[in-house]
Amino acid sequence: EVKLLESGGGLVQPGGSLRLSCAASGFTFTDFYMSWIRQPPGKAPEWLGVIRNKANGYTTEYNPSVKGRFTISRDNTQNILYLQMNTLRAEDTAIYYCARSRYYSPDYWGQGVMVTVSS
Amino acid sequence: DIQMTQSPSVLSASVGDRVTLNCKASQNINKYLNWYQQKLGEAPKLLIYNTNNLQTGIPSRFSGSGSGTDFTLTISSLQPEDFATYFCFQHNSWPFTFGSGTKLEIK
Repeated sequence: EVKLLESGGGLVQPGGSLRLSCAASGFTFTDFYMSWIRQPPGKAPEWLGVIRNKANGYTTEYNPSVKGRFTISRDNTQNILYLQMNTLRAEDTAIYYCARSRYYSPDYWGQGVMVTVSS
Repeated sequence: DIQMTQSPSVLSASVGDRVTLNCKASQNINKYLNWYQQKLGEAPKLLIYNTNNLQTGIPSRFSGSGSGTDFTLTISSLQPEDFATYFCFQHNSWPFTFGSGTKLEIK
């Protein structure tokens, strides 16, 4: 059974940083692309970026809306996906989801973690 | 960015109805269109990938069609558990984008 469990969310001040983690199990982690997607409360989801699999060199792509502030990485020995978020703004307030992806198509999503950016 | 426009934004229907949800892309996205179902307080769940492929474990009353810029999700006979919000998502061109959703509510 595919399981994805995000952690690391919380309240952070504007300009601050936060690192989210996503612990994956139930599949061969290195075979899959992994994505981060966020959803402000009551709004549509927004795709943030993807990190490719081992066969494609673990390279990354980002939404320009977060490129340069957010960094996606993965620990393939512990099956953990990360999202490092810097220079956070109020508009970054959202539920953040990790998702396993078949190439660029997210299939299984975690339950999400809330990030609130406020002073 | 490719804009994904979903219609209607709200759809009222009854159990047993056949319903069609629409998603229009601002540019050609080939076949790279997914449909997700989201219930309140839950993560989105993949229903259909690449226009017309049913995700494992999803009932066959869900089907998808379309190509290029116009896509549809059809539910052949609504069940009580189908009342939720549905999002389309294109993964053809960067940055990938979601539609604003169709809320399917009980009439």
